[in-house]
Amino acid sequence: KAGVTQTPRYLIKTRGQQVTLSCSPISGHRSVSWYQQTPGQGLQFLFEYFSETQRNKGNFPGRFSGRQFSNSRSEMNVSTLELGDSALYLCASSADRVSNTEAFFGQGTRLTVV
Amino acid sequence: AQSVTQLGSHVSVSEGALVLLRCNYSSSVPPYLFWYVQYPNQGLQLLLKYTSAATLVKGINGFEAEFKKSETSFHLTKPSAHMSDAAEYFCAVSAASYQLTFGKGTKLSVIP
Repeated sequence: KAGVTQTPRYLIKTRGQQVTLSCSPISGHRSVSWYQQTPGQGLQFLFEYFSETQRNKGNFPGRFSGRQFSNSRSEMNVSTLELGDSALYLCASSADRVSNTEAFFGQGTRLTVV
Repeated sequence: AQSVTQLGSHVSVSEGALVLLRCNYSSSVPPYLFWYVQYPNQGLQLLLKYTSAATLVKGINGFEAEFKKSETSFHLTKPSAHMSDAAEYFCAVSAASYQLTFGKGTKLSVIP
């Protein structure tokens, strides 16, 4: 069974640009969550989607957005990139997002903003 | 609201010694607790989870954790450290919300 696939693995962008990251969950999983990981702030929750609906959102500015497609694949978009957006972005999928269901993580996309 | 505190951002142990990584949580409702491990340039891998069944939870690679409600703790242990255990470990809580709240992480070094 294939795991969570995130593309691309590495990305370099310039301040002010926008970026789209992709996540393909484990087959059959309907919940996808996104997290930002930085050395200073650690792992922070961005948002969670289930059956194309955003169910929960973290404390991030509106420049961060996401969506989920009917096949459960998800994308997140960051507009007007800032240097502080440099981070490892992790996607996780779950069979459902009942609180006791474990999340399976992808390898992440390393975004560098210059 | 929920939060996690991991005591010690860096822990060093000798190969063969006991591993103890500390995690305390705060939650307004009964929590579900998880330990994840992260190797360099990798995602997170689940080690074990507590979901209100047995308070002593066994995970992969010889790790286990004990849920202590009175102490609001969920410490991770392994009787004998192996070189391959060197990684960063994250404790996380999930409580009636569709998100995981992580601790800051503890980097484990294993000295040969």
